[in-house]
Amino acid sequence: QSVLTQPPSASGTPGQRVTISCSGSTSNIGRNTVNWLQQLPGTAPKLLIYSNNQRPSGVPDRFSGSKSGTSASLAISGLQSEDEADYYCAAWDDILIGWLFGGGTKLTVL
Amino acid sequence: QVQLQQSGPGLVKPSQTLSLTCAISGDSVSSKSASWNWIRQSPSRGLEWLGRTYYRSKWHNDYAVSVKSRISIKPDTSKNQFSLQLNSVTPEDTAVYYCTNLDGPWGQGTLVTVSS
Repeated sequence: QSVLTQPPSASGTPGQRVTISCSGSTSNIGRNTVNWLQQLPGTAPKLLIYSNNQRPSGVPDRFSGSKSGTSASLAISGLQSEDEADYYCAAWDDILIGWLFGGGTKLTVL
Repeated sequence: QVQLQQSGPGLVKPSQTLSLTCAISGDSVSSKSASWNWIRQSPSRGLEWLGRTYYRSKWHNDYAVSVKSRISIKPDTSKNQFSLQLNSVTPEDTAVYYCTNLDGPWGQGTLVTVSS
């Protein structure tokens, strides 16, 4: 059971905006920044968002992240078929002294 | 552009040691701002952080409680790489293993199967 809680699934139609939530606690999201990862089928995870809302070079601005208190969200606007993937949140935990991951959200583009 | 290239065997016998290496290009294992991590992924456990090594005037390590008694992550400055050793493996250690600095790219992944 993951300490960071995500919905197992999400869906949307092309062009829509979808959001994926990630709930944690004061020892992880509450005190540290959140990263978001995208994992396409059969590939390694790829960094999508770091430090809550920063996009690495090459990540489209359709992807955005935010954090409030002990929760974080990933928003994808202008949904495209190639966005169909698993999405994971991650944060450092000061009590466990380690990185935690969410259980992942499978995004389906209808 | 940082790139990570993993190497190591894909099959390990129970009770033996799992050994993987991650070669870094475009950055230094001795970077004072990066940390170098090993993570594994399996259907039953999802993404699981195993540990990290990093340099801040001296070398440091942090390990996940679940594997702390069996794990060692070491830097190799001469080859600009870092390694993972996991001792006394069981079939529950079967997973895809990744190296990453978590604020950047991930290695390509190595499926390690623990089986006799």
